[in-house]
Amino acid sequence: SAVISQKPSRDICQRGTSLTIQCQVDSQVTMMFWYRQQPGQSLTLIATANQGSEATYESGFVIDKFPISRPNLTFSTLTVSNMSPEDSSIYLCSVVSGGQYFGPGTRLLVL
Amino acid sequence: EDQVTQSPEALRLQEGESSSLNCSYTVSGLRGLFWYRQDPGKGPEFLFTLYSAGEEKEKERLKATLTKKESFLHITAPKPEDSATYLCAVQASYNTDKLIFGTGTRLQVFP
Repeated sequence: SAVISQKPSRDICQRGTSLTIQCQVDSQVTMMFWYRQQPGQSLTLIATANQGSEATYESGFVIDKFPISRPNLTFSTLTVSNMSPEDSSIYLCSVVSGGQYFGPGTRLLVL
Repeated sequence: EDQVTQSPEALRLQEGESSSLNCSYTVSGLRGLFWYRQDPGKGPEFLFTLYSAGEEKEKERLKATLTKKESFLHITAPKPEDSATYLCAVQASYNTDKLIFGTGTRLQVFP
């Protein structure tokens, strides 16, 4: 298993601003995943982050809107850029370590 | 198109009243089917992975089964602490990076 922490746990932001979410894992992992869970919806994969290479984005998600960093094997960041109210969601970090595990999530509200 | 459908959307049970949650899926080659529990305000908690039809896994009052078209999560003699949203996800053999989630079943168990 893996223990995953995320910062911040929640935030309220103004439209047009950006927020960077941090994800820390207690062990080294090859791939880290970023998911979004919109209100009343299920989880949708945003992108896959490999250490030392560009993140791979799913259809409907672009690097300019959701830039990702992966500086080492235990850490990643997701930035939500130029936010609008439609970006209000829970953002979740996930890793594979004997199963696929999720962090506690970052609850974002954009006003 | 790969798809996961969970039913019912919501389920209310009396404590001790056993029941089953359904997860129907269509995917081009199943690599794995995952069950998660999600409590309000928290990230999904990994429960089981099933890989082939006929496979079963158990954990306390929960038992997951898998056929070629669907999976069931059986809850035996539930307790109020089993109240949560239960999520099902599939992983396709052609894209093992991605989990495709259903919208979940919201379970409430009353004493």
